[in-house]
Amino acid sequence: ILNVEQSPQSLHVQEGDSTNFTCSFPSSNFYALHWYRWETAKSPEALFVMTLNGDEKKKGRISATLNTKEGYSYLYIKGSQPEDSATYLCALNTGGFKTIFGAGTRLFVKA
Amino acid sequence: EADIYQTPRYLVIGTGKKITLECSQTMGHDKMYWYQQDPGMELHLIHYSYGVNSTEKGDLSSESTVSRIRTEHFPLTLESARPSHTSQYLCASSEGDRVRETQYFGPGTRLLVL
Repeated sequence: ILNVEQSPQSLHVQEGDSTNFTCSFPSSNFYALHWYRWETAKSPEALFVMTLNGDEKKKGRISATLNTKEGYSYLYIKGSQPEDSATYLCALNTGGFKTIFGAGTRLFVKA
Repeated sequence: EADIYQTPRYLVIGTGKKITLECSQTMGHDKMYWYQQDPGMELHLIHYSYGVNSTEKGDLSSESTVSRIRTEHFPLTLESARPSHTSQYLCASSEGDRVRETQYFGPGTRLLVL
């Protein structure tokens, strides 16, 4: 059974803090890694898709890195804002039809 | 912005009732998915479809069934709801190459079976 692990499970930060969280996956089954942001009462929305070892993606204050050899990805948020509060999901594409999701990191940003 | 809709958003129903969760997308995507998620847990794939008249079961065993008669519509049915079916159900669709494709999600249906 393939597992995608995300840590921490939840995170409380103050507005303006920078933060990061981790997604770990079995490197032998890697085709692509996706990050999604899921705000409460809304639909999960895609942030990034990464396919190559060493990939770095950036969208505004949010960025992500990928290490396929050791099987992890980091998501960074610089200068967190209350609107960044959400659950951040990472998802592994193993080349088949199925995408394996982690349980998410729930971020709370206090003003 | 993705155009994928789910109804109802919330449903409280008694044991033994038949229910259908609706999912529609207006993007013309061939691939559609149903996920089940319990609080704090991973999304688990319960059904998927490559296109019209194509449906497959996912990894998580589910007593639900799906149909795909039209590209835009992928309803999920529970013939006899039980408390163990209480969960959140998310519908998604995608297009593009299998490796890089991004999934577009609906807002989910929260189901409570009493």
